[in-house]
Parts: sequence; C-alpha cells; structure tokens
Amino acid sequence: QKEVEQDPGPLSVPEGAIVSLNCTYSNSAFQYFMWYRQYSRKGPELLMYTYSSGNKEDGRFTAQVDKSSKYISLFIRDSQPSDSATYLCAMRTNSGGSNYKLTFGKGTLLTVNP
Amino acid sequence: GAGVSQSPSNKVTEKGKDVELRCDPISGHTALYWYRQSLGQGLEFLIYFQGNSAPDKSGLPSDRFSAERTGGSVSTLTIQRTQQEDSAVYLCASSSIWGGELFFGEGSRLTVL
Repeated sequence: QKEVEQDPGPLSVPEGAIVSLNCTYSNSAFQYFMWYRQYSRKGPELLMYTYSSGNKEDGRFTAQVDKSSKYISLFIRDSQPSDSATYLCAMRTNSGGSNYKLTFGKGTLLTVNP
Repeated sequence: GAGVSQSPSNKVTEKGKDVELRCDPISGHTALYWYRQSLGQGLEFLIYFQGNSAPDKSGLPSDRFSAERTGGSVSTLTIQRTQQEDSAVYLCASSSIWGGELFFGEGSRLTVL
C-alpha cells in the first residue's frame, strides 16, 4: 500500500459544478497537508495548506482534513474552465529528521467544460 | 530572479549519455529540493539541500544520480549513463526556511531514447 492514495481520474465536470478531490493516507505521522495545482507543462503551485483536522476555506476552495480517518479533501465551488489542471495532494510529518520531505499523491486530472 | 528557474526545459538524449540539469532557486532561499515526476506517477523525492549540504540523498534512485549545490544557490542534478526509465520531468523547488512553502520551477523534461 502506498503511503498516499489519490484517484487519478480523469474528472470532467461542467462549469459551475462543485468538485470534490480526495486523498487517503496510511502514515499517522503525517501532520501537515497541502494541495497543489499543476497546469500542463508547469510546476506545481501551492493552493492550500492545513495542519489541524477540520475545514479551511480560501475563496472558492475548501480544504478538509479528517485525521481520524486519514482522509483529506479539496472542494472547489463554482468551478471555472481556468480550474482545469492536475491537483496533487501532499503531506509531511512534524517530527524527526525527514519533516521537510513531502509525500505526494499521483494527482487528479480535472477538466472543467464551459 | 522572480521564481525558480530550471534549464534545459527539454532534453532528448541517447541511452548511455550523461546529462546535467540545472536549478537556480529563488534568491535567498536556503533549502532546495529535487523531485522527479514520471508519467502517471506522483512527485518522487530525490534529494534535499540545506545550504550546500545534502543531509538526505535517500531518494536518489541509483549511484548514476548525483547532485551538488554551490554557493548556497545553483544546483546541478547529474545523471550518468542514462537509461530509458530515467525519462521523466525533473522538478526543482526552493523554500526560504526549512519546512516552509515550496516554490517549484517548471521542470526539465528528459527523454532518453
């Protein structure tokens, strides 16, 4: 079992839809959780960064963490064609000598159709 | 520069040749990371630098891979005797502090024929 599992999709939705992206993980030492967006042939860029269980909202994006279930989600409201990209979850520990190292999911390819 | 700069953006090479990939991090960023992104795979950690030191080289796939960083700035990832399985996008990232937000470059796309 990989440390981080993410459904690669692809996911295709109409403009205006609510999108739900998810990752599960097996390492209970993961404490910091991130979502990155990667446009085609570009580097990943940080979208959301969370530490505690619960929800964090930033504009149309909401990140949700459930540490008891080892499950994280990213919700996109009122999705736009410009949201079409690959979304990668990433996480890291808070202790030990390797807490700089991010472990990534494989990414979910999202297409928002106008 | 304003962001992380990587070169070359694309590299096609023949099996058995050596390649060098360069990363110029954001000015003042002390931490530098190399990741590899293969088709259908997530980002795979390769190596981490704090200043010019590499405390963690555990992600390097084999002894054909090496990396260095000089002057606390530019880093070079070298792949010797390239193999077809080395074909991937090699991403560099930097951060201002240890454990801080990573800023990624656009990557160097390596194709080994």
